[in-house]
Amino acid sequence: GAGVSQSPSNKVTEKGKDVELRCDPISGHTALYWYRQSLGQGLEFLIYFQGNSAPDKSGLPSDRFSAERTGGSVSTLTIQRTQQEDSAVYLCASSLASRANSYEQYFGPGTRLTVT
Amino acid sequence: AQSVTQLDSHVSVSEGTPVLLRCNYSSSYSPSLFWYVQHPNKGLQLLLKYTSAATLVKGINGFEAEFKKSETSFHLTKPSAHMSDAAEYFCVVSDQDGGSQGNLIFGKGTKLSVKP
Repeated sequence: GAGVSQSPSNKVTEKGKDVELRCDPISGHTALYWYRQSLGQGLEFLIYFQGNSAPDKSGLPSDRFSAERTGGSVSTLTIQRTQQEDSAVYLCASSLASRANSYEQYFGPGTRLTVT
Repeated sequence: AQSVTQLDSHVSVSEGTPVLLRCNYSSSYSPSLFWYVQHPNKGLQLLLKYTSAATLVKGINGFEAEFKKSETSFHLTKPSAHMSDAAEYFCVVSDQDGGSQGNLIFGKGTKLSVKP
């Protein structure tokens, strides 16, 4: 069956522009996670959704970052006024529910964002 | 706070020899621990997980890991390396007691090289 998909796969943008990254989770998965993988910081948690609500936004690095999820399915991560330090691979994962020790998180291939 | 430390950033082995990737964790709770693998240009894949059942956990592709509470370790092993095992491996702990929230905390990763 279809896995987690993300688009675009690559995005190059100029500093100061806004970008939107999209994640399509596996059908029926209620939990959705965003992570960022960068050279200096490794892989870090950004935000997660249970259904359409985001109980934990603590990982968002600044108020330039926001995310939403509609219809309990697709999620969009928006970065406003991009900075060079935002360059990273943004990974999305989904799982049946939000208990990590019970439900495997399935990861998408990621969106590689380069801010010039 | 939960954290994991992967003791080696790079491990190189010859094909057919054993693999040992080391991981130590710090946790205020009974941890849920995972190993993920990331092959080049592919998404993260769950290898195995520990969730307070058997301390020796068997995963896919012949990998296993042993949870040692006294040593706060969760090292990943495989008796005989295969060329296809070359990838980056991440030791991961769940952020909440019992993994109730689900977001994962990743180690910095260990790149495994396999020589013919």
